[in-house]
Amino acid sequence: DAGITQSPRHKVTETGTPVTLRCHQTENHRYMYWYRQDPGHGLRLIHYSYGVKDTDKGEVSDGYSVSRSKTEDFLLTLESATSSQTSVYFCAISESAYSNQPQHFGDGTRLSIL
Amino acid sequence: QKEVEQNSGPLSVPEGAIASLNCTYSDRGSQSFFWYRQYSGKSPELIMFIYSNGDKEDGRFTAQLNKASQYVSLLIRDSQPSDSATYLCAVNRPRTYKYIFGTGTRLKVLA
Repeated sequence: DAGITQSPRHKVTETGTPVTLRCHQTENHRYMYWYRQDPGHGLRLIHYSYGVKDTDKGEVSDGYSVSRSKTEDFLLTLESATSSQTSVYFCAISESAYSNQPQHFGDGTRLSIL
Repeated sequence: QKEVEQNSGPLSVPEGAIASLNCTYSDRGSQSFFWYRQYSGKSPELIMFIYSNGDKEDGRFTAQLNKASQYVSLLIRDSQPSDSATYLCAVNRPRTYKYIFGTGTRLKVLA
């Protein structure tokens, strides 16, 4: 199994609070991704990273920011959480996106915004 | 038109039968195709990937790719109740680092 650890695994918080989710990998893969998964929508890309300090937006990036200061860690921050951000968040890694290597997923974080 | 489309199901098959899951995609430039299995409450798990037209077999699983018709399918032979899950199709978006996922097909294998 790919060495991907997401933390926390579960979190309940209140509207308006900042939240940071962490993805840690031990595979030394260059590409890292944050997705959210909601019923009826499937997996939607929030942000991704193609190297240290190199990040870009996905399809549903509003209200989210990311940072990657070292290869192994990719952080997702909800600056002011809203109830619409209640979801399951998955981190994924890929050895090489341009040569079309598959992604591997972490176990997910279940986030509830009350 | 969605970039990657799957029938949401559920697709119900009896134990021991062949389950056939289909996926269509819109971008003719896509070159990489992936099938993931996701059990309820769990993360997606890679089953197979295929890059070339034709069939690729791995145990009970066969991926089929037809680029001319823009579809990719997954066949599961000798289906088992443990195969009951949601199957996600993913396709690379050309000239980007991105992968696009379908919403998944729920498979139920009846004992």
